Order: sequence, then structure tokens, then C-alpha cells
Amino acid sequence: DAGITQSPRHKVTETGTPVTLRCHQTENHRYMYWYRQDPGHGLRLIHYSYGVKDTDKGEVSDGYSVSRSKTEDFLLTLESATSSQTSVYFCAIRDRVITGYTFGSGTRLTVV
Amino acid sequence: KNQVEQSPQSLIILEGKNCTLQCNYTVSPFSNLRWYKQDTGRGPVSLTIMTFSENTKSNGRYTATLDADTKQSSLHITASQLSDSASYICVVSAEVPGNQFYFGTGTSLTVIP
Repeated sequence: DAGITQSPRHKVTETGTPVTLRCHQTENHRYMYWYRQDPGHGLRLIHYSYGVKDTDKGEVSDGYSVSRSKTEDFLLTLESATSSQTSVYFCAIRDRVITGYTFGSGTRLTVV
Repeated sequence: KNQVEQSPQSLIILEGKNCTLQCNYTVSPFSNLRWYKQDTGRGPVSLTIMTFSENTKSNGRYTATLDADTKQSSLHITASQLSDSASYICVVSAEVPGNQFYFGTGTSLTVIP
């Protein structure tokens, strides 16, 4: 998607290993979000950021941490991956309320 | 509790036919409502956004309606095409500091030839 990229697109990792997903934007938007999408649950907010070094928890933040040292990058870290964290992870950016989200293409993470 | 419910969960229609997807919400105070289209393996893409004062908004063959009194929205797709096969997600935002977005679980639409 224009202006927002996620990496990697796919990853398989073992239980107990640390994993970091990256979201990069070129839009200079203030707000950045990490969501996970699972069948039957829709998109659920993990963490979000409202500025450099300003982050807050979402509804499913347990087991996840984030960092935003630059406007353009928002990292999601699974300190010790578990099978329940197998999911598709989406990053989203937002400028103003009325513009809504722009989503990345997603990262499919499998924890075995 | 702020919630967004969509129906049906899944839908199969013939190419060229029309269909309507439903979204009911209990989000308050209401700010706006968006419909997103999510193709398989891709991130959601915005189709329409509606604020409190808007009843109808169109985007090509997609027409969204909003009834703020009954807290219902619908997305009508006219003359469906195979490329309309996707998941359609209703997202309602609350008029609170920092904004809060509430996602429906989506309607999976399959258009068959």
C-alpha cells in the first residue's frame, strides 16, 4: 500500500523466540497502530503510537511491546513468541480523524 | 458496551446481482462510520466514510447508508463483479479524546460466475 510497508510479509518462528515486526511509513503521519486479525475476531488493537516515544496499549497488548524512535518506524516485538500469537498482523497509519486508516499489507506470523 | 455487529457473516451471489451488507453498532458518542474492503492477503482499503449528518454516500457501484437514530448502516453493491469478492468491514469511531475505533468482524462476500 502506498506510503506504508510492513516487513517481513511472512515469518515462521519457534515458540519462545523473540520476533520483531516492522512498520515503515513515508506519510509523516502522527498516529501508527498495530492490529492482529484472527478468524471470528476481526481486527483487534495491540498497541498504538501518537508520536515519537509516545505509545499506549490496546485491548490485546499482553505479550507484545512496541517502540517508536522515529516518526516513520513503529516496531512490534513479541518477547517470547507463543502459538496463540500466530496471526496476521496489520500496521495502520492515520493523519486526522476524518482521513481514517491506511493499512499495510500485513505480516503473516506462524509460531510453531 | 461499544460494539459493531455485521451480518451476514458470509454471502455468495451470482455475478451481476446486487447485494446489501448490514452493520449495527452501539458505539457512543458516535463520530463516523467507515466501510472497508479487504481482499484476500491484503490490508483493508477504505470505501466510504460517513458522519452523523450523512444518510447516503456512493463510491462507484458501492452505496453506503447510515441511520444514526437506529444506529444502522448498510453497504449496497450494485451489479456485482468477480472482483467484489472480498471481506467487507464496518468500522465505527467514537467521539472521544484520542478517538477509539471499533471493528466489526466483517462479511465475506463471494461473487461467482
